[in-house]
Amino acid sequence: SAVISQKPSRDICQRGTSLTIQCQVDSQVTMMFWYRQQPGQSLTLIATANQGSEATYESGFVIDKFPISRPNLTFSTLTVSNMSPEDSSIYLCSVARGGAKETQYFGPGTRLLVL
Amino acid sequence: QKEVEQNSGPLSVPEGAIASLNCTYSDRGSQSFFWYRQYSGKSPELIMSIYSNGDKEDGRFTAQLNKASQYVSLLIRDSQPSDSATYLCAVIKVGGGNKLTFGTGTQLKVEL
Repeated sequence: SAVISQKPSRDICQRGTSLTIQCQVDSQVTMMFWYRQQPGQSLTLIATANQGSEATYESGFVIDKFPISRPNLTFSTLTVSNMSPEDSSIYLCSVARGGAKETQYFGPGTRLLVL
Repeated sequence: QKEVEQNSGPLSVPEGAIASLNCTYSDRGSQSFFWYRQYSGKSPELIMSIYSNGDKEDGRFTAQLNKASQYVSLLIRDSQPSDSATYLCAVIKVGGGNKLTFGTGTQLKVEL
């Protein structure tokens, strides 16, 4: 497994502002992902964070709204831009070391409320 | 049809009973299957992974996979109140890298 931390753990933000969420892993990992979990719903993959290149976004998510960085094998950031109340969710990063059978482990999540 | 389907529940079982959670998936080429447990306000934690047809046991938990019928299940024996949580089924599709597709989750309540 891996020890994953996220900052901030929670935040309350105003409409129109942006928030950057950090994900730090205690060891190098091949794969890092960002998920969103809206209230009462399951997890939806936003994007795969690629080290040294642009993130790969899932259908319905765009770079302008959710810019992602991954400068090395242990760290990634997700920015939620120009926020609206609909962005109120839990944002989770997950990591895997690679391979089709490799398990994903999740960070503790960032709880975001947009007013 | 959803890619991964679960009954949302709640599924209520008495303490000590067997809880049976089911999941079906639409992509016949799916190759890896996971059960995560999520307590309210917490992030998902891995319970079981299964890749081949049949049963896989780990303590009180047994995962069952039937690729021909495209379903995967989780049995929890001797259910405890601490097992009360939402159980998420997740699948990696062929060619999907490590991307997990989640079901909506089944809420389990273990009653005293």
